[in-house]
Amino acid sequence: KNQVEQSPQSLIILEGKNCTLQCNYTVSPFSNLRWYKQDTGRGPVSLTIMTFSENTKSNGRYTATLDADTKQSSLHITASQLSDSASYICVVSAWAGGGADGLTFGKGTHLIIQP
Amino acid sequence: ETGVTQTPRHLVMGMTNKKSLKCEQHLGHNAMYWYKQSAKKPLELMFVYNFKEQTENNSVPSRFSPECPNSSHLFLHLHTLQPEDSALYLCASTRNTEAFFGQGTRLTVV
Repeated sequence: KNQVEQSPQSLIILEGKNCTLQCNYTVSPFSNLRWYKQDTGRGPVSLTIMTFSENTKSNGRYTATLDADTKQSSLHITASQLSDSASYICVVSAWAGGGADGLTFGKGTHLIIQP
Repeated sequence: ETGVTQTPRHLVMGMTNKKSLKCEQHLGHNAMYWYKQSAKKPLELMFVYNFKEQTENNSVPSRFSPECPNSSHLFLHLHTLQPEDSALYLCASTRNTEAFFGQGTRLTVV
């Protein structure tokens, strides 16, 4: 059964500090992994996409890593800002012709940035 | 904005009411989806439509009835819901495995 596990479940850090969110998956056959940011009461928005051959990808202060051998990904946030407070969801896509029905969602990490 | 619009944003309904959720996208995507997001649980896929045809019904109770009149519009008709159906209902369309979500409808069943 395809599964995506995220840790920690929730995290509180001070503004300006860095943090790292973890994602472990058992999705096969692997196609890609995306990190989504979901603000409270809003729909998730894609931050980054990682394919099998990519190890690191940055999007501003967000840096995602992927280790396809250990099936782990991380999302590192640098110099956190209050607007980073949100849920971060790891989503893994299996090769099944694409489409959202081939996606497995993690439960998300709820991040709170305190001033 | 993702290009996927959902209305209403908030809905409170009694267990005997009938209401409908609406989703609209003009991104040219041919696949549209309904997801349910309950507190502390991952997104749960409910229905999938490809080219207006329903291709998946993920064991959803019949009190939820989807409708896809064209590739730009998707509805979720609700009737005789239960309090445990209270959740955030998200609509999405897809391009190359990337899901574009609407802002969701926060549904409360009283």
